[in-house]
Amino acid sequence: DQQVKQNSPSLSVQEGRISILNCDYTNSMFDYFLWYKKYPAEGPTFLISISSIKDKNEDGRFTVFLNKSAKHLSLHIVPSQPGDSAVYFCAASASGGAQKLVFGQGTRLTINP
Amino acid sequence: DSGVTQTPKHLITATGQRVTLRCSPRSGDLSVYWYQQSLDQGLQFLIHYYNGEERAKGNILERFSAQQFPDLHSELNLSSLELGDSALYFCASSVVFGDSSYNEQFFGPGTRLTVL
Repeated sequence: DQQVKQNSPSLSVQEGRISILNCDYTNSMFDYFLWYKKYPAEGPTFLISISSIKDKNEDGRFTVFLNKSAKHLSLHIVPSQPGDSAVYFCAASASGGAQKLVFGQGTRLTINP
Repeated sequence: DSGVTQTPKHLITATGQRVTLRCSPRSGDLSVYWYQQSLDQGLQFLIHYYNGEERAKGNILERFSAQQFPDLHSELNLSSLELGDSALYFCASSVVFGDSSYNEQFFGPGTRLTVL
C-alpha cells in the first residue's frame, strides 16, 4: 500500500522554464509534507516543506502547493536551472505518531540547456 | 553538507555475515532515523531512536537491530545477510520529537551495502 505516490518517474524541462513535480497521498493523517532532492551517490537534501494548515510555501525559486481536499501537492521550480537536474522525492509525516517520513518513489528531473 | 555523517561509505560482504553501520547525527539533534533504499525503490523507514530510546519501528527485519548511544550516535546492525539486503542505508536526524508536526529530517550520505 503506497501512501505517497509520484506518478511521473521522469520529467524533462527546458532551462529557464517552470518545472512542476506532482505528488499524491492517501493517508488523511499526514499533516506535514516535504520535498527532498537527491543527486547520485549522495543522501537526500531537504528542499522545502509545508504544514497542512497552509496551502502554499515559497522559498526562493521553489514553491510547494498543497491541496488537502485532493490530497495532492506539487513543487514548482522557477526558473529551472541545470543544477536542478536530480531525483526529487516527496515525503509525508503525521504528527504525534512514529515521526517517520513516508516517501514517494521519486521523479527524475532533467533540465535541458 | 547536512551535518550527518555515516561510515563506512561502501561495504562489500558475503551472505551470512554481519555488519555494523554507524551514524552521527547533527549537533543538537536527539532523533535518529534509519532508512533503506533498495534498487528502484523509494526510501523505506526502518527505525527511529530518540535520545537513546527506540520510538518506532517500520519495515525492519528481525535480523536487523539498532541502538543509539549516550553520545547520540547510532548503529544499525545487519546479521545473517542475504543478497536482497544489498541496498543504500541512510541515516537521518532531526531535533524534533513529540507532537510537533514540523519534522525536517536531515540525511547523511548513506552506506552502500553489497552482499555477494
